[in-house]
Amino acid sequence: DIQMTQSPSTLSASVGDRVTITCRASQSISSWLAWYQQKPGKAPNLLIYKASSLESGVPSRFGGSGSGTEFTLSLSSLQPDDFATYYCQHYNSSSWTFGQGTKVEIK
Amino acid sequence: QVQLVESGGGVVQPGGSLRLSCAASGFTFSSYGMHWVRQAPGKGLEWVAFIRYDGSDKYYADSVKGRFTISRDNSKNTLYLQMNSLRAEDTAVYYCAKERSSTMDYWGQGTLVTVSS
Repeated sequence: DIQMTQSPSTLSASVGDRVTITCRASQSISSWLAWYQQKPGKAPNLLIYKASSLESGVPSRFGGSGSGTEFTLSLSSLQPDDFATYYCQHYNSSSWTFGQGTKVEIK
Repeated sequence: QVQLVESGGGVVQPGGSLRLSCAASGFTFSSYGMHWVRQAPGKGLEWVAFIRYDGSDKYYADSVKGRFTISRDNSKNTLYLQMNSLRAEDTAVYYCAKERSSTMDYWGQGTLVTVSS
């Protein structure tokens, strides 16, 4: 099975900062990667699909990149609404796998 | 607009059974695959099961294989998860989610399942 490893587990940042979250796959997954945002007590929300495609309605300050085994989610200028937990997700051969999550906290 | 509403959660004893439902509206339910995803208290997301749009294929996480069964009734726009032989480690919020190109583009609000004696 392909394992997805996110880093860091927790990230402390301030409003206006640029932040980057990394997701690494244990083997090449081409561009089959998505990113989700989850706020406490709420369902996850799809941000990015196919590694770099922005979901409709998601602010352009969110960006995704990468292919193969290393992927990044970037937020160009952190806003108060962006403090949340972020998950990467991969699909492979009838199995879907999430990373363990990255919590973005207020510094 | 797309709406997914889960129900059927509650408290059940270890070894017991529970059936979750997910009522879908706002899209052509019979054209899309559907997932169940769970989240244990304070933990991350765990994919549980997937069913194709017509029910022809079903896939499960190893942790639930042989105990959980995903199904759907396209005439009722409803997704189900039959959970048997429940264990303490199955305690979680269970979400249903609509499939799109190997991602999950819409999610319900979740229903809490607690397995405890």
